[in-house]
Amino acid sequence: KAGVTQTPRYLIKTRGQQVTLSCSPISGHRSVSWYQQTPGQGLQFLFEYFSETQRNKGNFPGRFSGRQFSNSRSEMNVSTLELGDSALYLCASSLVPGGLTNEKLFFGSGTQLSVL
Amino acid sequence: AQSVTQLGSHVSVSEGALVLLRCNYSSSVPPYLFWYVQYPNQGLQLLLKYTTGATLVKGINGFEAEFKKSETSFHLTKPSAHMSDAAEYFCAVRGPNFGNEKLTFGTGTRLTIIP
Repeated sequence: KAGVTQTPRYLIKTRGQQVTLSCSPISGHRSVSWYQQTPGQGLQFLFEYFSETQRNKGNFPGRFSGRQFSNSRSEMNVSTLELGDSALYLCASSLVPGGLTNEKLFFGSGTQLSVL
Repeated sequence: AQSVTQLGSHVSVSEGALVLLRCNYSSSVPPYLFWYVQYPNQGLQLLLKYTTGATLVKGINGFEAEFKKSETSFHLTKPSAHMSDAAEYFCAVRGPNFGNEKLTFGTGTRLTIIP
């Protein structure tokens, strides 16, 4: 069974641009979460989707948005990029929202975004 | 709201020595606790978790952690370090209440193994 797939692996953008990151969960998994990882800050929760609905949202500005499609694939979008948005963005999937069953999350390898 | 604090952003131990990575949590009610590991250029993998029941939890790769409510701690240990244990380790907490489900991670501890 293929793992969580995130594309692209690396991205370089300039300030003010927008970016879209993609996440394909493990087959059969319907819940997708997104995290931002930066040195010193660790992992910060962005949002969680289940069956195309956003179930939970972290404390990020409205420039960060996401969506989930009927096949459970998810995208996150960051508009008007700032230097501070440079980070590793991780996607995680599970069969159902992890908070309901405490089942483990399966993480992708992430997309490394650099904003110049 | 719950939070976790990982003491020591970098820990170095000799191969064969005891590994001890510290995690303290803050929560108004007993939470669910997790340890994840991240190897270079990879995503996170679950090492172990505590939900209810036995307070000493055994995980993969010889790691274990003990939930101590009186100390609000969930430290990760391994009796004998191996070179392959070099990675970054994250402690995480989730509240037990429905609707308060997101995982809150600590800032991570990078473990270096000295040959």
